Amino acid sequence: QKEVEQNSGPLSVPEGAIASLNCTYSDRVSQSFFWYRQYSGKSPELIMSIYSNGDKEDGRFTAQLNKASQYVSLLIRDSQPSDSATYLCAVKGGLDAGGTSYGKLTFGQGTILTVHP
Amino acid sequence: KAGVTQTPRYLIKTRGQQVTLSCSPISGHRSVSWYQQTPGQGLQFLFEYFSETQRNKGNFPGRFSGRQFSNSRSEMNVSTLELGDSALYLCASSLEQGRTGELFFGEGSRLTVL
Repeated sequence: QKEVEQNSGPLSVPEGAIASLNCTYSDRVSQSFFWYRQYSGKSPELIMSIYSNGDKEDGRFTAQLNKASQYVSLLIRDSQPSDSATYLCAVKGGLDAGGTSYGKLTFGQGTILTVHP
Repeated sequence: KAGVTQTPRYLIKTRGQQVTLSCSPISGHRSVSWYQQTPGQGLQFLFEYFSETQRNKGNFPGRFSGRQFSNSRSEMNVSTLELGDSALYLCASSLEQGRTGELFFGEGSRLTVL
């Protein structure tokens, strides 16, 4: 089983629709969860971070976290053609004795999203 | 505020050679991580440095090494290059306070091994 799995793509949605991206992770002690957007030929860009169960909204983006189900998702409302990119789910490990969370990010394989006019 | 700067952006090497990649983190960031990105394997963690100490290392052979300097700048080295080392090498920096751990990536160094 992969440590971080994303829903298989590619995902194609019409302009103005809601795009739903899903991610599951295997390490129960994971503490920090991130969504990155990567345009073709570019580096990953952080768009959302979430640490507690529930929803976190930032503009057209909503991240949802359910630690009991080991599930994190990203909703993009009013999708625009400029949202067309690969979306990467990333998970960071548990806290160390000092209370900080260092260590590697484990990435999913990414979901390619295409928003068509 | 300047972002993460990586040099060189593109390079071509032949098998058996070695390469050194450089990364300057965002000002004030003390943690630097390196990742390899390939179409087949995706983004894979190489190593992480904080205050000149390697805190974590991924599952890569010993040909891959790195270091961090007192000004937080970091370098990674790959010796005895193989064709499979062709990839985008990404450096990321983090403020590393509390539990946030948000990573900010540079534009990457694209290595082609012939």
